[in-house]
Amino acid sequence: QLQLQESGPGLLKPSETLSLTCSVSGGSVNSSYYFWGWLRQPPGKGPEWIGSIYYSGTTYYNPSLKSRVTVSVDRSKNQFSLKLRSVTAADTAVYYCSRGLYALPDDWGQGALVTVSS
Amino acid sequence: QSVLTQPPSASGTPGQSVTISCSGENSHIGSNTVNWYQQFPGAAPKLLIYSNDQRRSGVPDRFSGSKSGTTASLAISGLQSEDEAVYYCAAWDDRLYGVFGGGTKVTVL
Repeated sequence: QLQLQESGPGLLKPSETLSLTCSVSGGSVNSSYYFWGWLRQPPGKGPEWIGSIYYSGTTYYNPSLKSRVTVSVDRSKNQFSLKLRSVTAADTAVYYCSRGLYALPDDWGQGALVTVSS
Repeated sequence: QSVLTQPPSASGTPGQSVTISCSGENSHIGSNTVNWYQQFPGAAPKLLIYSNDQRRSGVPDRFSGSKSGTTASLAISGLQSEDEAVYYCAAWDDRLYGVFGGGTKVTVL
């Protein structure tokens, strides 16, 4: 059974870079036709789609975040990662990694709270 | 502010039916399929419906989805106390990114 686990620092200062890794078990990032993605959910709000990487390596990003985001995959470690540069308090949220067969997420990780505060 | 529009709340008594709407534009709901997710407090969202009306394996058949034009709907028939949760719709946009609704909290009275 697929399991996705987010990991990374939970507290950042404004202007720093958020770096999260999603470890995949029970599946492979090399599997054909899957999208490996990131979403976030500020407290009390709906999810926001951040970006994803297709099994082929093609990346897709939310236009509102595109200038600050990079999603990449490490096939040797069966992991994929999110980098969000120049964070502000508005980036405080629970961050989820996901896998989807049709671009949108089917399966989600348990989530990791990231707080941006000086 | 979320891209897709959902009513903030809906409610019903056990056994009743509840329908949640999700409205958008031609660039997303109008030209791509819709997913529905269920979220309990403190947990990650869980996929209920994909491709407008396909129930994910294990999802009770009292949950059903539909789409017409730029509006999608999730119906819960035979409402049960365990259905009390927040429900989100999502769709792919023609500009190649995902969009979500703001969520509808379903209360079982």
